[in-house]
Amino acid sequence: GEDVEQSLFLSVREGDSSVINCTYTDSSSTYLYWYKQEPGAGLQLLTYIFSNMDMKQDQRLTVLLNKKDKHLSLRIADTQTGDSAIYFCAERDSGNTPLVFGKGTRLSVIA
Amino acid sequence: DAGVIQSPRHEVTEMGQEVTLRCKPISGHNSLFWYRQTMMRGLELLIYFNNNVPIDDSGMPEDRFSAKMPNASFSTLKIQPSEPRDSAVYFCASSFGGRVENEQFFGPGTRLTVL
Repeated sequence: GEDVEQSLFLSVREGDSSVINCTYTDSSSTYLYWYKQEPGAGLQLLTYIFSNMDMKQDQRLTVLLNKKDKHLSLRIADTQTGDSAIYFCAERDSGNTPLVFGKGTRLSVIA
Repeated sequence: DAGVIQSPRHEVTEMGQEVTLRCKPISGHNSLFWYRQTMMRGLELLIYFNNNVPIDDSGMPEDRFSAKMPNASFSTLKIQPSEPRDSAVYFCASSFGGRVENEQFFGPGTRLTVL
């Protein structure tokens, strides 16, 4: 079946860049997503990328997609303490099919 | 827009009791998803509905779990009888199939503790 893998923890200093990595197995993935979960809250969509793109930038966020290696990354520039959260990578084929989530990467930002 | 609404936010019950979790999706959305989140297993899809019809319930752990969507604005997830291993945070999410990116909007979750 489909699988999405992420490292579980990442710790960075405030002001540094954070890079969260994700690998997936489904070669038919059409949409790839990054969600953020703050403590005690639901998941919130941060950004997404179509599989025919290799990069997307949105303010401090940069998403890189290597479709050949099925590798997705999220770079957060100038990481702030408010960025501390769990970040989930997710993929789906198309339409209203469900998202397949990774287990999430807990980002800790040290002041 | 109030977003996806879930109730209760917290539920503590004893083993063997029936538990009902409720979800109101965003108005106009036609897909609804139930997820369970635990430390060990991460975020798991339990069941999802399109236009109030269950499409895939293969993630439902066992017969003790059931879900209904009687209309476009309400869904329930029921556990009967509940067991301590059901303790988790249960999320409901909704989306509108007409959008290209089909963003799923998540509710705040229900934290269930079964003693």
